[in-house]
Amino acid sequence: EAQVTQNPRYLITVTGKKLTVTCSQNMNHEYMSWYRQDPGLGLRQIYYSMNVEVTDKGDVPEGYKVSRKEKRNFPLILESPSPNQTSLYFCASSFTTGNEFFGPGTRLTVL
Amino acid sequence: SQQGEEDPQALSIQEGENATMNCSYKTSINNLQWYRQNSGRGLVHLILIRSNEREKHSGRLRVTLDTSKKSSSLLITASRAADTASYFCATLTNAGGTSYGKLTFGQGTILTVHP
Repeated sequence: EAQVTQNPRYLITVTGKKLTVTCSQNMNHEYMSWYRQDPGLGLRQIYYSMNVEVTDKGDVPEGYKVSRKEKRNFPLILESPSPNQTSLYFCASSFTTGNEFFGPGTRLTVL
Repeated sequence: SQQGEEDPQALSIQEGENATMNCSYKTSINNLQWYRQNSGRGLVHLILIRSNEREKHSGRLRVTLDTSKKSSSLLITASRAADTASYFCATLTNAGGTSYGKLTFGQGTILTVHP
């Protein structure tokens, strides 16, 4: 089954404790991206990657890191999480930036 | 700032009625897409319309695009209770002439269809 998976689905952590949210797709898509969704602000793109080893900043990259060492994986790294990073995070992938397939979301709470 | 802005923010209708949602954007685009999101879940791609297209249909969905007004509309005909969801428009702007680019989402319209 074609899908984008994210782990964990739910995470509660404390300020400053490094965390990684994994994202994996099985559709051989070149393009992958991360979004955060907040009430009243819609979805905002954090980072995107056009292919292996090619990443670029989206609208709200501060406080986040990504890597694209393999085509199928695109982890999101929060080196020192803060409460304002409490949000619902989505990973997505596509062959081009149309028909993006979204993961189920990761709900992150930073205390 | 958000590229796409939807109107209305919320829409409540009865089953069988048509639902129309509008999206406005600010800069030139490569294409415009509509997505649907059920509460708290991932977005699902509905339809894509390219900048050189004016209208597109898919089942009960009709999308129009007016690049001169920088606006688009999504029409859902004969709505059903199962259409209850949030609907987002997203605009694609290409990066440096490549086929890839940045997808920017609006804040969405919450559609409620009453049985």
